[in-house]
Amino acid sequence: QVQLRQWGGGLLKPSETLSLTCAVYGGSFSGFYWTWIRQPPGKRLEWIGEISQSGNTYYSPSFNSRVTMSVDTSKNQFSLKVNSVSAADTATFYCARGVRLSGSATLFDFWGQGTLVSVSS
Amino acid sequence: SYELTQPPSVSVSPGQTARITCSGDALPRKYAYWYQQKSGQAPVLVIYEDTKRPSGIPERFSGSTSGTMATLTISGAQLDDEADYYCYSTDHGGSPGGVFGGGTKLTVL
Repeated sequence: QVQLRQWGGGLLKPSETLSLTCAVYGGSFSGFYWTWIRQPPGKRLEWIGEISQSGNTYYSPSFNSRVTMSVDTSKNQFSLKVNSVSAADTATFYCARGVRLSGSATLFDFWGQGTLVSVSS
Repeated sequence: SYELTQPPSVSVSPGQTARITCSGDALPRKYAYWYQQKSGQAPVLVIYEDTKRPSGIPERFSGSTSGTMATLTISGAQLDDEADYYCYSTDHGGSPGGVFGGGTKLTVL
């Protein structure tokens, strides 16, 4: 059974850098699109970006200049960094496994448990 | 930017049919996906590519589309189905990233 376990984040001050890591247990690490999604309190889910095993990345234009994703294939882990955070970045962040079927968008079939990140001075 | 629109809430009695809609201009050409999110939990995929049901998802969950609207139908809703439901899709652009709808709170009582 595939499991994603994530850690990091917590309480940050404005302008600091958010760092999260997600470890993948069970199943293959290759052939999938390792994704970060966030959800501000009481709001909709928001796709942040994805990274492949080879390190190819796509970021949402909403985050493009502040986000960096990386992958460590030796540990089956991938990470997210968001710099210059503000109160607007307060959210629960999820990692997820993305599966891209032919001709369709990416579906997310396994998710991490979620990590609440709060930004406050 | 592209948007998917859902009703904020839907309410049904146990055993009734619940229908949750999602409208978006690109839906005639792009697949819709549906996620169920129970309070304090990560989302779970319940429908993909408009109508397909992942293994382990009960048969009472089904999806359909018509023009710019996708619909999630829960036939014979149960108390355990009470949750927020989000549609997801992409726009006409080439980015692999998509957008989620605003979510619909399904109440079964």
